[in-house]
Amino acid sequence: QKEVEQDPGPLSVPEGAIVSLNCTYSNSAFQYFMWYRQYSRKGPELLMYTYSSGNKEDGRFTAQVDKSSKYISLFIRDSQPSDSATYLCAMSAPGRGGATNKLIFGTGTLLAVQP
Amino acid sequence: EAGVAQSPRYKIIEKRQSVAFWCNPISGHATLYWYQQILGQGPKLLIQFQNNGVVDDSQLPKDRFSAERLKGVDSTLKIQPAKLEDSAVYLCASSLDSADRLNEKLFFGSGTQLSVL
Repeated sequence: QKEVEQDPGPLSVPEGAIVSLNCTYSNSAFQYFMWYRQYSRKGPELLMYTYSSGNKEDGRFTAQVDKSSKYISLFIRDSQPSDSATYLCAMSAPGRGGATNKLIFGTGTLLAVQP
Repeated sequence: EAGVAQSPRYKIIEKRQSVAFWCNPISGHATLYWYQQILGQGPKLLIQFQNNGVVDDSQLPKDRFSAERLKGVDSTLKIQPAKLEDSAVYLCASSLDSADRLNEKLFFGSGTQLSVL
């Protein structure tokens, strides 16, 4: 079993739709949860960063973490064609001496927002 | 602020040849990472440097891959000899060295796309 599972999609939605992207994980030590957006032929860029459980909102984006279910979500409201990209979840556990361990990425979900 | 710079952008080689990639991190970032991203997969960490010391190279195939970060700034990743399964995008990333864990956010370059024929 992979440490992080993510549906690769592709996911196609009309402009203005609410998008839900999800990841599950198996390592209960994970405490840092991130969502990266990756446009074609570009490197990933950090979108959202949450620590432990709860919700975090930033504009049209909301990240949720449910540690009891080992499940994280990213919601995109009023989706735009410019949101078309691959969305990668990533997570890490606390390491020794206060530093975090390496990030473990999901496979990414390809999202296409149709105008 | 300039981002993470990588070169070359694309590279095509034949198997058993050697290849090298270069990375210049964001100024002031002490931590540098090399990731391998195979088509349809998420990035996988190959090696992590803190200044010019190696923090984690547990997933680096050391029989063919090597990396160095002289003077704690630029870094090069080399593959010798290359295999077909090394075809991937090689991403360099950097982050601030901070005691605050929430500051360990990675900034990625655009990557080098390697095709091994």
